[in-house]
Amino acid sequence: NAGVTQTPKFQVLKTGQSMTLQCAQDMNHEYMSWYRQDPGMGLRLIHYSVGAGITDQGEVPNGYNVSRSTTEDFPLRLLSAAPSQTSVYFCASSDPEGASESNEQFFGPGTRLTVL
Amino acid sequence: AQKVTQAQTEISVVEKEDVTLDCVYETRDTTYYLFWYKQPPSGELVFLIRRNSFDEQNEISGRYSWNFQKSTSSFNFTITASQVVDSAVYFCALSVAPGADSWGKLQFGAGTQVVVTP
Repeated sequence: NAGVTQTPKFQVLKTGQSMTLQCAQDMNHEYMSWYRQDPGMGLRLIHYSVGAGITDQGEVPNGYNVSRSTTEDFPLRLLSAAPSQTSVYFCASSDPEGASESNEQFFGPGTRLTVL
Repeated sequence: AQKVTQAQTEISVVEKEDVTLDCVYETRDTTYYLFWYKQPPSGELVFLIRRNSFDEQNEISGRYSWNFQKSTSSFNFTITASQVVDSAVYFCALSVAPGADSWGKLQFGAGTQVVVTP
């Protein structure tokens, strides 16, 4: 299993550009989420999904869109990038009904985004 | 609303010293989970432990130990005989139990940077 994969690993954008951060998991997890990590603030939830076709907002959703057309993929879209969106983005998946005793969230390696 | 507080921004120790990281949480839920994650300089998040609110037993795993005290809403983490490889940012996090509406929405603390020098 590859676990949770994220692409790209690094990205530089200019203000106003749009892009999509990709996230995929091969563990058949129903639950997927996106977090951003900023210095001194820990990780904050942007959007999450409890299954294909179902998404909802987290703590800091403004400026981001998501969709969940398959169980495996959960892309994060920045429609018009702003310098305030410079951050490290982590995708995570979990399966509360699954066999994992820890019920842990599995995190991807992260995408470091800089908006100039 | 849920909240996790890690009051220590940075802790510096010399190798072989013990280090304790504090985590205080707030939640109205009676069933919840607490987590610790490690983020080494390479940037990935490494799961260390999950503890549910009904299990107040302390846990030890090698040089790591965790002290869960529901009465004080704390879930502290101790590294015994620290090593340079322990240098990392450590995050405490809280979520409600599976089945609840907010399952999987982790609330993270701000993190504690641990610096271990030889």
